[in-house]
Amino acid sequence: GAVVSQHPSWVICKSGTSVKIECRSLDFQATTMFWYRQFPKQSLMLMATSNEGSKATYEQGVEKDKFLINHASLTLSTLTVTSAHPEDSSFYICSASRDRETQYFGPGTRLLVL
Amino acid sequence: DQQVKQNSPSLSVQEGRISILNCDYTNSMFDYFLWYKKYPAEGPTFLISISSIKDKNEDGRFTVFLNKSAKHLSLHIVPSQPGDSAVYFCAASGSSGAGSYQLTFGKGTKLSVIP
Repeated sequence: GAVVSQHPSWVICKSGTSVKIECRSLDFQATTMFWYRQFPKQSLMLMATSNEGSKATYEQGVEKDKFLINHASLTLSTLTVTSAHPEDSSFYICSASRDRETQYFGPGTRLLVL
Repeated sequence: DQQVKQNSPSLSVQEGRISILNCDYTNSMFDYFLWYKKYPAEGPTFLISISSIKDKNEDGRFTVFLNKSAKHLSLHIVPSQPGDSAVYFCAASGSSGAGSYQLTFGKGTKLSVIP
């Protein structure tokens, strides 16, 4: 099956710093990439949808200036958490899609903001 | 308003028996449904999907049933194995132009298969 990687797998940072998370589709070109956030014992919450070369579409309640998404190519999307605060600590997961049938998920990135 | 509901947060099943995970949805625009399996601190893994034009799809030990009139789908795993223990998410997508690839997830059901 298709492989999606995320880097880093976990990160600890100080409050106020920015953190960049990369999402790559390794063996296919992704038409669309998605960023999700999962809180403990809760479902995956879609944060934003991004298509290569265009601005990301953010879900209601997600601050686009805080969660910067760049979809530079058909195989790479990045999520930057700017001026991170402890409440941003979460498990962030990306997925990549080449058609509507299936999204392939990355392994996730655990962010802890101190 | 939760559009995809998995009302059972957990389920325990004996090894070798059938596991049935249920999912209900409210949005009539959903026309494609997927099941994902997820281990802690990992991304979801795709299991099986079904289009709204079908009422059943089978792949090995996994079968998904769709009842459109009831807006209900279920995942059957038979026989259940200890390695099936994980959280199972039901997801749905609708044909709405640019948003058609978006998935709406249920809250998940934690399946425990007891040896």
